[in-house]
Amino acid sequence: GAGVSQSPSNKVTEKGKDVELRCDPISGHTALYWYRQSLGQGLEFLIYFQGNSAPDKSGLPSDRFSAERTGGSVSTLTIQRTQQEDSAVYLCASGHIFYEQYFGPGTRLTVT
Amino acid sequence: GENVEQHPSTLSVQEGDSAVIKCTYSDSASNYFPWYKQELGKGPQLIIDIRSNVGEKKDQRIAVTLNKTAKHFSLHITETQPEDSAVYFCAASRADTGTASKLTFGTGTRLQVTL
Repeated sequence: GAGVSQSPSNKVTEKGKDVELRCDPISGHTALYWYRQSLGQGLEFLIYFQGNSAPDKSGLPSDRFSAERTGGSVSTLTIQRTQQEDSAVYLCASGHIFYEQYFGPGTRLTVT
Repeated sequence: GENVEQHPSTLSVQEGDSAVIKCTYSDSASNYFPWYKQELGKGPQLIIDIRSNVGEKKDQRIAVTLNKTAKHFSLHITETQPEDSAVYFCAASRADTGTASKLTFGTGTRLQVTL
């Protein structure tokens, strides 16, 4: 079946601009996660959504980062006033059973 | 919070040999330990996982062992093939029934299988 999809696959933006990254989870999955993968920091958790519960935002690095999940499905990660240190691959994962997380291909963000 | 250490950072084996990657974790409350394989330009792919109520799990050429007392777990790949070449990540989480939980990842092991 269809896996997690993310768009765009690549995004180049100028410092100071806002960007939106999109995630389409596997149909029926109640949990959705965002992670960031960078050379210096490895894979780090950003935020997750679980059903109708309040999201866990504990991994967001600054208030320039925000995310929403509409209708319990699609999620958008927004980065305002991008900085060069935001350059990374942003990965989305979704899960149906309580444990497993399945990742999408990621969005590679480059801030120039 | 949880801290996961992974060794080695790089591993080169000959085709047909076995490969072992080891991870340790710090939070004794962690109860779920997945392993991911990541190929260049792709997202991490879940290849095997283990929960804290078992000590070993096997799936064809891949096995994972867990030692809760020592807080370490390992990935074992037997009869390695060139297509096993990738970066492997271990992770840990405290997953409660009905509750999603974030993964804390190790720093990755680049496995190269040579002919």
